Amino acid sequence: EAQVTQNPRYLITVTGKKLTVTCSQNMNHEYMSWYRQDPGLGLRQIYYSMNVEVTDKGDVPEGYKVSRKEKRNFPLILESPSPNQTSLYFCASSLSRAGGNEKLFFGSGTQLSVL
Amino acid sequence: DQQVKQNSPSLSVQEGRISILNCDYTNSMFDYFLWYKKYPAEGPTFLISISSIKDKNEDGRFTVFLNKSAKHLSLHIVPSQPGDSAVYFCAASGATGRRALTFGSGTRLQVQP
Repeated sequence: EAQVTQNPRYLITVTGKKLTVTCSQNMNHEYMSWYRQDPGLGLRQIYYSMNVEVTDKGDVPEGYKVSRKEKRNFPLILESPSPNQTSLYFCASSLSRAGGNEKLFFGSGTQLSVL
Repeated sequence: DQQVKQNSPSLSVQEGRISILNCDYTNSMFDYFLWYKKYPAEGPTFLISISSIKDKNEDGRFTVFLNKSAKHLSLHIVPSQPGDSAVYFCAASGATGRRALTFGSGTRLQVQP
């Protein structure tokens, strides 16, 4: 089944404790991206990757890191999480560059709480 | 500054009636507009899209209308079904394509049986 898989689904952590949210897609998609969803703000892009070893900042990149060593994986790293990073996170992928009419396929989300 | 706005956080309609979800945008460089639907505990899924050179696109019960002069688009669902109850996000993409979609804040639709 074609899908984007994120783990974990739920995560509670404390301020400053490094964490990684994994994302994997099995559709051979070139483009991958991370979004966060906050009430009243919709989904905002954190980072995106056009292809392996190519990453770039989205609208809200502060406090996050990403890497794209393999085509299928795009982990999101929070080196020193803070309470304002408490949010619902979505990984997404598409066949090529996002934009135009390219559909994004989303994972099921990771609810992160930073205490 | 939100470039894509959905001013109605929620909407409730009766089964069988029309649902109209609205979206406004400010950036005239957007060239595609998309609607995504999101159920609880799931990621958003693509619903329908429209190019900026068109004013209407239809797919079954779903129709999206675009009014470029007003920078406004709407999603019509006819007839509405209880399974349509979800959060609907309006999104837009720019001409360069390097950046991904700009999303609105979403409208929660509830279709009453």
